[in-house]
Amino acid sequence: DTEVTQTPKHLVMGMTNKKSLKCEQHMGHRAMYWYKQKAKKPPELMFVYSYEKLSINESVPSRFSPECPNSSLLNLHLHALQPEDSALYLCASSQGVQGEAFFGQGTRLTVV
Amino acid sequence: AQSVSQHNHHVILSEAASLELGCNYSYGGTVNLFWYVQYPGQHLQLLLKYFSGDPLVKGIKGFEAEFIKSKFSFNLRKPSVQWSDTAEYFCAVMTYGSGNTGKLIFGQGTTLQVKP
Repeated sequence: DTEVTQTPKHLVMGMTNKKSLKCEQHMGHRAMYWYKQKAKKPPELMFVYSYEKLSINESVPSRFSPECPNSSLLNLHLHALQPEDSALYLCASSQGVQGEAFFGQGTRLTVV
Repeated sequence: AQSVSQHNHHVILSEAASLELGCNYSYGGTVNLFWYVQYPGQHLQLLLKYFSGDPLVKGIKGFEAEFIKSKFSFNLRKPSVQWSDTAEYFCAVMTYGSGNTGKLIFGQGTTLQVKP
């Protein structure tokens, strides 16, 4: 199974809502990532988890809060987002932090 | 800070034409290099990767890339493109060391349109 599964596929939320994005992989990978991708732009790194510990935070605003409950799961908690946060949020995983990353289909987030 | 630069933003080719997409990176340390492809409506998929060894690497669907260390380049090639190669292509660099390990940084992407 070489899949990274993200839920939900689409999410519309108001600026005062709290929601969570979920990501799951069963490849035994020990590194997991969150990326943000705007239309016609490359993915931008947000967070890197290595062995369930946050190893890189790319100066992401605190309204985005990552969580890694176990080695297979990665969550992104969202609170008080702005319309400019609307984007495709991609999760990825790799064997270690130096390996090739496998990407999920993404969650298309719209903030209204 | 590390960066990745792709030379071509939009490339239009006819079927059977040869393809070369340029990629240069800026980082003084050790890197792993990747090309990813994003077909319309699909997720990012790995085309090929370079970690070490032979600088000419072969990937899926007839793609290959050459790592030239002295030029900090990792150009993607395909001798004969097909209509199904129409997609967005991203060069990416994974960096090592000094708090940078695990940073997979993408270039701006190249939109390839192949005309039948």
